[in-house]
Amino acid sequence: SQQGEEDPQALSIQEGENATMNCSYKTSINNLQWYRQNSGRGLVHLILIRSNEREKHSGRLRVTLDTSKKSSSLLITASRAADTASYFCAEDRSNDYKLSFGAGTTVTVRA
Amino acid sequence: GAGVSQTPSNKVTEKGKYVELRCDPISGHTALYWYRQSLGQGPEFLIYFQGTGAADDSGLPNDRFFAVRPEGSVSTLKIQRTERGDSAVYLCASSTESGNEQFFGPGTRLTVL
Repeated sequence: SQQGEEDPQALSIQEGENATMNCSYKTSINNLQWYRQNSGRGLVHLILIRSNEREKHSGRLRVTLDTSKKSSSLLITASRAADTASYFCAEDRSNDYKLSFGAGTTVTVRA
Repeated sequence: GAGVSQTPSNKVTEKGKYVELRCDPISGHTALYWYRQSLGQGPEFLIYFQGTGAADDSGLPNDRFFAVRPEGSVSTLKIQRTERGDSAVYLCASSTESGNEQFFGPGTRLTVL
């Protein structure tokens, strides 16, 4: 079954603005991963943050992890139309092998 | 190098038929995963292979679903007596080992009429 919830479910922003989405989870994790999906097909891996890390950057992406609150956030800075997609967080749980995905946040960047 | 490939990209079948979906992982990746994604939802885990063996098949919904990976590379997901509720996008992913980044294929969209 799926765990983790993304918030908000949908987000619409103007090009150039920042987009922030949050993910909450319920169990202990090895790491938490963020993926992007365009048009309901293949997922593209964005960032993996391990349980002993608090913040990670990749280009215009910034991910934070708060294990005490069991939450993570993804920030996209200076958004572009090409950032329009669905974004998913996925838990890699302790003593488990699979990823458990949330329902995702749909981001629309208006030109 | 080549990413994860899946064939076919689309499959339309009739209720009650048998289907096979193929996944070709990234060369050298020992871990292979199958997920199923319904419209508006995140992917749901089906089965995980480490090498040739199914290390975790707890996500398979019932015994109509079966997957193999006989030589530790290509995997086939097999669905018997398909039902309309099986309609979804079936995603395959591979990684160097569990706990690392998973690389996803483009998926197979299965439609059961």
